[in-house]
Amino acid sequence: DGGITQSPKYLFRKEGQNVTLSCEQNLNHDAMYWYRQDPGQGLRLIYYSQIVNDFQKGDIAEGYSVSREKKESFPLTVTSAQKNPTAFYLCASRGLNDNEQFFGPGTRLTVL
Amino acid sequence: QQQVKQSPQSLIVQKGGIPIINCAYENTAFDYFPWYQQFPGKGPALLIAIRPDVSEKKEGRFTISFNKSAKQFSLHIMDSQPGDSATYFCAASKKTGNEKLTFGTGTRLTIIP
Repeated sequence: DGGITQSPKYLFRKEGQNVTLSCEQNLNHDAMYWYRQDPGQGLRLIYYSQIVNDFQKGDIAEGYSVSREKKESFPLTVTSAQKNPTAFYLCASRGLNDNEQFFGPGTRLTVL
Repeated sequence: QQQVKQSPQSLIVQKGGIPIINCAYENTAFDYFPWYQQFPGKGPALLIAIRPDVSEKKEGRFTISFNKSAKQFSLHIMDSQPGDSATYFCAASKKTGNEKLTFGTGTRLTIIP
């Protein structure tokens, strides 16, 4: 059963803590993406990676970090430097010669 | 800089009606225009996509109309059903290479019985 998985589904964090969101895909896709979704603002790109061991900042990378050590995994760390981290986080992946991005089910992060 | 403008922000239509969601883009290098459907608490899923070499594309009850000269495209849902109630996002990207998708801000559609 191919697809993208994100974990956890819900995550609660205290202010000042770093948290890591997991994203795994078994679609053999080269490119992976992290988006943040806030009400009324659509999807905003945080980071993306086109190949293993390489990634680029998106439009709102400040306060976030990523790694791409394996093709199937693209974890996102929300650091304490992110001023307003409460949001719905979506991971996506895309094949090398495709335009379609496939999305995971999302992680809802709440800062207490 | 918002490169894809989407309207309306929300839309309520009676069952059987034809909701229309509009998007306008600025970057003339864009040549791939998908629409995504998102249900609450879920990730978006590709609904239908179009390239600018055609003016219209239909898949089931969903139709994209594309106006290249006006740099606008729209989604029409024929015979709308309550199950179509969701948030719809338009997006745009360049056709080739590892290009990013630029999303509109979304339209929350409600179909009332």
